[in-house]
Amino acid sequence: GNSVTQMEGPVTLSEEAFLTINCTYTATGYPSLFWYVQYPGEGLQLLLKATKADDKGSNKGFEATYRKETTSFHLEKGSVQVSDSAVYFCALTSNRDDKIIFGKGTRLHILP
Amino acid sequence: EAGVTQFPSHSVIEKGQTVTLRCDPISGHDNLYWYRRVMGKEIKFLLHFVKESKQDESGMPNNRFLAERTGGTYSTLKVQPAELEDSGVYFCASSHRSSAGPAHFGPGTRLTVT
Repeated sequence: GNSVTQMEGPVTLSEEAFLTINCTYTATGYPSLFWYVQYPGEGLQLLLKATKADDKGSNKGFEATYRKETTSFHLEKGSVQVSDSAVYFCALTSNRDDKIIFGKGTRLHILP
Repeated sequence: EAGVTQFPSHSVIEKGQTVTLRCDPISGHDNLYWYRRVMGKEIKFLLHFVKESKQDESGMPNNRFLAERTGGTYSTLKVQPAELEDSGVYFCASSHRSSAGPAHFGPGTRLTVT
């Protein structure tokens, strides 16, 4: 079945550091890929998405590229801020239904 | 527009008790979803309503869980009787139409069963 695997957390970085959170997936067909973020005390928010191979999703300085050959969708940001501290979830939906398949989440701590 | 709201934000109950979680979707959203995150694990799909009808309930863990959406507006998720393994965060999401995301998520209800 479909699944998402993302790097274990927590990840702790200093402000302005480069961020990578790895995500790989297993899916039949052509899934859409997402990164969701949950800030403290808030609900899940869609951060970015990509719906086909080689698409790059971007938002708030974050980027992720849909790599079909490596079944990956790694999240990157060139210079993180304290306000980026949150839990990040990689996710996918198949082309069959609306169910979102999530990874376990990666907690990110940014130190000032 | 107002977002998806959930009530309560946190509930602590004893094993064997009953708890009812409520979700108010964004007005006009026909699709309503329930998800659950058990501590340290993935957020998992529970079920999907289209208006008042259950479109997909394949993720419901067992018959101790009952979801309803009377009138196609708000939804409730009842756990009766609660077990320790039911502890986790229950998320609700809604969307206009059936599509490949993104649904709008609520803040979640943290359920602790002791």
